[in-house]
Amino acid sequence: DIQLTQSPSFLSASVGDRVTITCRASQDISSYLAWYQQKPGKAPNLLIYAASTLQSGVPSRFSGSGSGTEFTLTISSLQPEDFATYYCQQPNTFPLTFGGGTKVEIK
Amino acid sequence: QVQLVESGGGVVQPGRSLRLSCAVSGFTFSNYAMHWVRQAPGKGLEWVAVISYDGRSQYYADSVKGRFTIFRDNSKNTLYLQMNSLRAEDTAIYYCAKDPRYCTTVTCGYGRGYFDYWGQGTLVTVSS
Repeated sequence: DIQLTQSPSFLSASVGDRVTITCRASQDISSYLAWYQQKPGKAPNLLIYAASTLQSGVPSRFSGSGSGTEFTLTISSLQPEDFATYYCQQPNTFPLTFGGGTKVEIK
Repeated sequence: QVQLVESGGGVVQPGRSLRLSCAVSGFTFSNYAMHWVRQAPGKGLEWVAVISYDGRSQYYADSVKGRFTIFRDNSKNTLYLQMNSLRAEDTAIYYCAKDPRYCTTVTCGYGRGYFDYWGQGTLVTVSS
């Protein structure tokens, strides 16, 4: 199975901060990576696919980069509605797997 | 607009069975692979199973293989998850999720493998 390791697992940040979350894969997954945002009590929401393609309707302050085994999700200027948990996911090899999540909280 | 609505969750004893349903609208259900993803209370996301757009192919996580069956009725725009021999560790919110790839031929396989729309989830609690 392909393991995805996210770091940090928790981060505290302020509105307006630039935030970066890292996802490392246990083997080369090319650009096959997606990112999701999940707010408490809600289903996850797709932010980015193919490592760097923004899903329709997602604000441009979200961006993704990387390939191979290392990927990043960046929020350029954190907004109040961005406080949530973020997950990476590899869609290419069964079993499909998720990272452990990164919880972004208000400082 | 795209809607996915799960139902069928509840409290069930270990070893018993439960069937989840996911009724969809707002897209041509028969042209998309569909998935089940679960989330144990306070934990992360775990992919459970996928079914091809035409229902002919399925793939499962090892943790549920041989106990769970994913199937679909394209005439009813509904996805199902039959869960047998339930265990305490199956306790979770179960989400149905849509694959983004439009499929018309078997070469589509299981779609793109990520999830562009999700239902609101249904809670399954396995407890005696």
